[in-house]
Amino acid sequence: TQLLKQSPQFLSIQEGENLTVYCNSSSVFSSLQWYRQEPGEGPVLLVTVVTGGEVKKLKRLTFQFGDARKDSSLHITAAQTGDTGLYLCAGADNYGQNFVFGPGTRLSVLP
Amino acid sequence: GAGVSQTPSNKVTEKGKYVELRCDPISGHTALYWYRQSLGQGPEFLIYFQGTGAADDSGLPNDRFFAVRPEGSVSTLKIQRTERGDSAVYLCASSLTGQGGGGYTFGSGTRLTVV
Repeated sequence: TQLLKQSPQFLSIQEGENLTVYCNSSSVFSSLQWYRQEPGEGPVLLVTVVTGGEVKKLKRLTFQFGDARKDSSLHITAAQTGDTGLYLCAGADNYGQNFVFGPGTRLSVLP
Repeated sequence: GAGVSQTPSNKVTEKGKYVELRCDPISGHTALYWYRQSLGQGPEFLIYFQGTGAADDSGLPNDRFFAVRPEGSVSTLKIQRTERGDSAVYLCASSLTGQGGGGYTFGSGTRLTVV
């Protein structure tokens, strides 16, 4: 069983601050995805990373996949209140057909 | 449709009853997934369909849970003899090919409450 851990579990920051959240596992993943989920909605895909060491940028969000493909980080620059939500990472098994989700980091950005 | 549609959005049922939850995936998506999300947790994998067949049902917790996708489009998750521990949000997702690279598109879920 591939287990994903995410830290911190909760994070509350002021608008304009920077933050980093982490996703870690003892297993190697063929790919890893980050999702954002708002209350009452399903998760929405933000990014997929595939190559060890890969860095992807999506506006103020920077995603990095660890060299060993066991961990990932999400960095948000100048957080906005609209960034509030549950950030989930999900790792794909060797066949890339089934994703295992972490428990998520719940982010609150205060005005 | 434009997105993944799940019905009902909320379901309250009595312990011991039978429930069916429906998922309408994005048209043309061959892969369909069911996940269960408890409060404060990430989604937990239940079952994955590729076309009409269940490619991986290893996440179904016990034999009270069953899912079908008879025509390779709409899927129904069926829960028999519901228990209070079954209360959760049941999420459905679809993917174009099932290879995962394109990511899943999730529905808004069905919130099941067993009283």
